[in-house]
Amino acid sequence: GAVVSQHPSWVICKSGTSVKIECRSLDFQATTMFWYRQFPKQSLMLMATSNEGSKATYEQGVEKDKFLINHASLTLSTLTVTSAHPEDSSFYICSARDMGEGLDEQFFGPGTRLTVL
Amino acid sequence: DAKTTQPPSMDCAEGRAANLPCNHSTISGNEYVYWYRQIHSQGPQYIIHGLKNNETNEMASLIITEDRKSSTLILPHATLRDTAVYYCIVKGGGADGLTFGKGTHLIIQP
Repeated sequence: GAVVSQHPSWVICKSGTSVKIECRSLDFQATTMFWYRQFPKQSLMLMATSNEGSKATYEQGVEKDKFLINHASLTLSTLTVTSAHPEDSSFYICSARDMGEGLDEQFFGPGTRLTVL
Repeated sequence: DAKTTQPPSMDCAEGRAANLPCNHSTISGNEYVYWYRQIHSQGPQYIIHGLKNNETNEMASLIITEDRKSSTLILPHATLRDTAVYYCIVKGGGADGLTFGKGTHLIIQP
C-alpha cells in the first residue's frame, strides 16, 4: 500500500507555544488529506479535511483558528496547533487519499503524539 | 454514512481463522464497507474494502451478505501480530473523512 509519513513522531511543548505537524504522501499525490485526533482509550475523531490549494474544511466543534491547516502541495499537509494547552495533548493522525489507477483509498500516517505541559 | 455495530472484543487462537463480524443494516446502495485496523499507538492500517461482492487480498477476505446488511472480515491464519482494534466503516464515494466507531479489539492468544 501507499506510504504516508508524519513528522515529528512525538513532541513535548510548553503551554502557550505552537506546534507544527507535517504529513507527507511519499509515493503518490494526494489532493485530499485528513487530520484526526485520538484521545486515550477512544476512537479516532475526524478534525478536518485538507484540500490542496484551498481552505480546509473543519468538523463541527473544531476551532479553525486554533488548528491551522495548510496543504501547499500534492504531497504535503501541515497542522499547526496554536497556543497549545494541556487539553490539546493527544495523538494526531493524518491520512491521504490515493486516487491513482481506479483506487479510492485512504492511507494513514504513523501519528504524532503531542504532550503539552 | 451508515452506522456500524461490532462486538467490543474477541479472542482467537494463533494459527486459527479470525472471523470479525460487522452489522451495517442502514447501508445504502452506493456505500462501501471498509476495514481498517489499529495496532496500539500506531496509525490505522487499511485492510480491505468492498461494495457487494466478496473480496480477498493478501491480508484478509471480506464476506458481504447478499442484502449487504452485514459483513465478516476473515483473517485466515491469525498470528500474534494481528492483535489490534479492527474498525468496520461504511462510506460512500467522494472525498469524505472516515467515521470510526469503537471497533473490535481482537486478541490473538498463543
